[in-house]
Amino acid sequence: ILNVEQSPQSLHVQEGDSTNFTCSFPSSNFYALHWYRWETAKSPEALFVMTLNGDEKKKGRISATLNTKGYSYLYIKGSQPEDSATYLCAARGGNAGNMLTFGGGTRLMVKP
Amino acid sequence: SQTIHQWPATLVQPVGSPLSLECTVEGTSNPNLYWYRQAAGRGLQLLFYSIGIDQISSEVPQNLSASRPQDRQFILSSKKLLLSDSGFYLCAWSVSMNTEAFFGQGTRLTVV
Repeated sequence: ILNVEQSPQSLHVQEGDSTNFTCSFPSSNFYALHWYRWETAKSPEALFVMTLNGDEKKKGRISATLNTKGYSYLYIKGSQPEDSATYLCAARGGNAGNMLTFGGGTRLMVKP
Repeated sequence: SQTIHQWPATLVQPVGSPLSLECTVEGTSNPNLYWYRQAAGRGLQLLFYSIGIDQISSEVPQNLSASRPQDRQFILSSKKLLLSDSGFYLCAWSVSMNTEAFFGQGTRLTVV
């Protein structure tokens, strides 16, 4: 089982603030790192799949990076109330093979 | 387009009663299917995955079992529920082990 950790567990920001949070995972035998957004009463929605060290993906105001040391960072520029959700990262690799191992998530709340 | 259906949305069951949660996928053939659980305050934990009919792998020893009687149907069962089985259960599918997963709406199970 992979050890995938996310920080912080929760985050409160004001509308318009930019924010970022962290996902750490074992860097050995790494296959891929996934980010999901999970809004209350909805299904988790895939944001990014990152496979290359140094990879950077962007979707609107949200972007993510991946480095060689086993860290991925999710950035939200100019947070909006609709960004409020739990952000999950999940890693494939190591002794878990192709299985997706999820972190505990970061719960983001954006106040208007 | 592909869709995933999971039911029921909520369920309250007494300790010792049986459980059956059903998940079906439409619009794709031979999907990889998964059952995840989110326990209170924790991330998503993979319970079972299946790469084909009657091919089930269990990731975590527990009081639950899974079956895949048809290509696009995945069922999570228990003969006797425990209080610790309470949680939020998510079904998901993917094209392969290496691609993003798409989630159902989830079932909130409360064992009383």
